[in-house]
Amino acid sequence: DGGITQSPKYLFRKEGQNVTLSCEQNLNHDAMYWYRQDPGQGLRLIYYSQIVNDFQKGDIAEGYSVSREKKESFPLTVTSAQKNPTAFYLCASKSNYGYTFGSGTRLTVV
Amino acid sequence: DAKTTQPTSMDCAEGRAANLPCNHSTISGNEYVYWYRQIHSQGPQYIIHGLKNNETNEMASLIITEDRKSSTLILPHATLRDTAVYYCIVRVQRGGGSQGNLIFGKGTKLSVKP
Repeated sequence: DGGITQSPKYLFRKEGQNVTLSCEQNLNHDAMYWYRQDPGQGLRLIYYSQIVNDFQKGDIAEGYSVSREKKESFPLTVTSAQKNPTAFYLCASKSNYGYTFGSGTRLTVV
Repeated sequence: DAKTTQPTSMDCAEGRAANLPCNHSTISGNEYVYWYRQIHSQGPQYIIHGLKNNETNEMASLIITEDRKSSTLILPHATLRDTAVYYCIVRVQRGGGSQGNLIFGKGTKLSVKP
């Protein structure tokens, strides 16, 4: 089945450590997105990529980095510069028809 | 993209129709109305979208007013599994860059009760 796979589902990080969240899709979509969701809130855009080897900052990119070396993969790194990283992270890809979301990664800083 | 306004929460009895309203009074002529829903701790799921005409699929119906300033998502026979946050979004269907980004508000929390 085609879809988006995010891993891991739960992730714990110590303060000061970088951590990378995985996002893989087999939908052959060009565009991919990373969103952050805090409790009781909507989704906020972190980064997006329209095509391989290109990506753009979203509304809350500070403290995050991404890469897009392959069409299928769009990993997100949460760096130590992100002051409040505990959140639910969602990856999505887009066709002209609409968006497909992964099941999310819940990151907790301990 | 046009801004949308939705009620914060709604209740619905199991087996009854759930009617979720959305106001988008500043919608542009080329903007579509999209509905997604998010079940707790999962990614949002696409439900339906439309431009002018009413739309129906296996999940729901979308009723758009003639002036396109508001719409209603209808779940004809709500079940307990339909309990979720429902997001109404308006945007151009095509386009790269920032036009491609969905803007999610807080949505409507629908609680389906036995």
